[in-house]
Amino acid sequence: EPEVTQTPSHQVTQMGQEVILRCVPISNHLYFYWYRQILGQKVEFLVSFYNNEISEKSEIFDDQFSVERPDGSNFTLKIRSTKLEDSAMYFCASSEPDRGNQPQHFGDGTRLSIL
Amino acid sequence: GQNIDQPTEMTATEGAIVQINCTYQTSGFNGLFWYQQHAGEAPTFLSYNVLDGLEEKGRFSSFLSRSKGYSYLLLKELQMKDSASYLCAVSEGNTPLVFGKGTRLSVIA
Repeated sequence: EPEVTQTPSHQVTQMGQEVILRCVPISNHLYFYWYRQILGQKVEFLVSFYNNEISEKSEIFDDQFSVERPDGSNFTLKIRSTKLEDSAMYFCASSEPDRGNQPQHFGDGTRLSIL
Repeated sequence: GQNIDQPTEMTATEGAIVQINCTYQTSGFNGLFWYQQHAGEAPTFLSYNVLDGLEEKGRFSSFLSRSKGYSYLLLKELQMKDSASYLCAVSEGNTPLVFGKGTRLSVIA
């Protein structure tokens, strides 16, 4: 069964550094998402992406964050000037074109640890 | 505003049936999803309801009442591997999923 794949599985970074989290969505999916989950808390939406542009973003997704689809398969999340509170699991998800009633399929996540 | 409530924790016995409830208040509604999440892993899709009624999928069933803003996930013939968090999430249509805090289910022998 097709999967969303994310790399790396674990990223440890010094505070203030930039990180790039990578995702390969399921090939026929057109909607892409980033969510994060701070340890012990709920899954929170960051940003959605469709047709090569951001379609929606949450309050969390400020100027520190950016997303890109550099080629036909990868979808990246860049976090600049990382802070301690950015430590979390970051999940990429994708869904088929009719996203209203199509489930979002999640990757295994990247555990980001900011020191 | 958006508000999704589910119990924090539940415990049930292997072989039994458990019902996990979810109530929601959202500005729009285009479906309710249930996901399973084992500790340290990704959420995996279990079920989807957009119309009132019961959707059955093997040992798992999900029910929706839109007028009451209420859903439940029913797990039958519980197995130890069903110990996980169960996440209720609402799609408001043109917005991404809004998740509840999850219900941590412990299945005991």
